[in-house]
Amino acid sequence: AQKITQTQPGMFVQEKEAVTLDCTYDTSDPSYGLFWYKQPSSGEMIFLIYQGSYDQQNATEGRYSLNFQKARKSANLVISASQLGDSAMYFCAMRGTYNTDKLIFGTGTRLQVFP
Amino acid sequence: NAGVTQTPKFRILKIGQSMTLQCAQDMNHNYMYWYRQDPGMGLKLIYYSVGAGITDKGEVPNGYNVSRSTTEDFPLRLELAAPSQTSVYFCASSSVTLTGLGETQYFGPGTRLLVL
Repeated sequence: AQKITQTQPGMFVQEKEAVTLDCTYDTSDPSYGLFWYKQPSSGEMIFLIYQGSYDQQNATEGRYSLNFQKARKSANLVISASQLGDSAMYFCAMRGTYNTDKLIFGTGTRLQVFP
Repeated sequence: NAGVTQTPKFRILKIGQSMTLQCAQDMNHNYMYWYRQDPGMGLKLIYYSVGAGITDKGEVPNGYNVSRSTTEDFPLRLELAAPSQTSVYFCASSSVTLTGLGETQYFGPGTRLLVL
């Protein structure tokens, strides 16, 4: 069975600082994809970044980067130069080779950026 | 480009009432999904569809039904509303790649449902 674990229910970071949101996963699939989504208070789900299990380099998208450590089964999201608008819920999700039609979500981390 | 649209945005139901949550996408995506999100929790998959005429159960299908007669539309039906179905419902869609791994899901804005 696949499982995503986000152990940080809430995180605080000062504006302009970097923050890491943790995500660990469990799967027996030989290949898989890892996603991060942002959910602001308005409620919509916004795709941020994707990492494939066989990608040689860690994914980056602007201020977002994914610290992928395959041996540790972790896929942490790093947000650099935090902005007030980054305050939101962040969800880690996974899709595996044997279940390509489904995304499995973690319980989320609420990030609060303060001035 | 509208993407994924959902109606209504908010609804209050009485116990035992029925309703249909509408979802439509204009991206010609084969895959469509229904999730529910309870307060402070992640998303749980209710039903999904890999194409018109094909649907399958997700993690929490009890109390719901779906149909997929066209590529664009994927309505979710609640037959006998219960307080446990109070939640925010998200519809999503995605295309499919050869590996099936890297394609992200695009979400609608959600429907907030309150059952009293």
